[in-house]
Amino acid sequence: AQTVTQSQPEMSVQEAETVTLSCTYDTSENNYYLFWYKQPPSRQMILVIRQEAYKQQNATENRFSVNFQKAAKSFSLKISDSQLGDTAMYFCALTGANSKLTFGKGITLSVRP
Amino acid sequence: NAGVTQTPKFRILKIGQSMTLQCTQDMNHNYMYWYRQDPGMGLKLIYYSVGAGITDKGEVPNGYNVSRSTTEDFPLRLELAAPSQTSVYFCASSSNGANGDTEAFFGQGTRLTVV
Repeated sequence: AQTVTQSQPEMSVQEAETVTLSCTYDTSENNYYLFWYKQPPSRQMILVIRQEAYKQQNATENRFSVNFQKAAKSFSLKISDSQLGDTAMYFCALTGANSKLTFGKGITLSVRP
Repeated sequence: NAGVTQTPKFRILKIGQSMTLQCTQDMNHNYMYWYRQDPGMGLKLIYYSVGAGITDKGEVPNGYNVSRSTTEDFPLRLELAAPSQTSVYFCASSSNGANGDTEAFFGQGTRLTVV
């Protein structure tokens, strides 16, 4: 079975500062993909960033980057220059060859003006 | 390009009633999923499908049924609604991972209340 764990239920950050959201996972597969999704109050699920397990280079998308530690099975999301629009729930997710897409419990991020 | 379309957006059911949540996608994705999200919680997988005619249970399948007769459609059936099924339901789809394209696309969600 594959699992995704997000142990921090909520975090708060000042606008323009940097925040890191933690995620650990477990899978028996060698080839898998990791994701961070954002869910604003509108409820829509939005892909933030994706990492392929066989790529050693950490993925980046503008202000969003990940720290992928494959041996430690850790996949954290760093948000730089936080903006008010980043306020949302963030989910870490994992999929592999078994095709199941498994989500963590999520973390509520609040960006303070 | 509509993506993933779920209907209805809201529904109130009485205990014991049944209903079908509809989900259709126009991206020719093989994989489709149904999740439920309880308040302040993550997404729990109910059922998923890797292609037409193939379905499999997720974490919380009890009380639900699915079918996948076509690539496009993946309806979720609640036979005897119970208050514990009050939740927001999301349908999602993704490709088979070829060329690294594995992003899941989500519908807008269905808010279901069972009273």
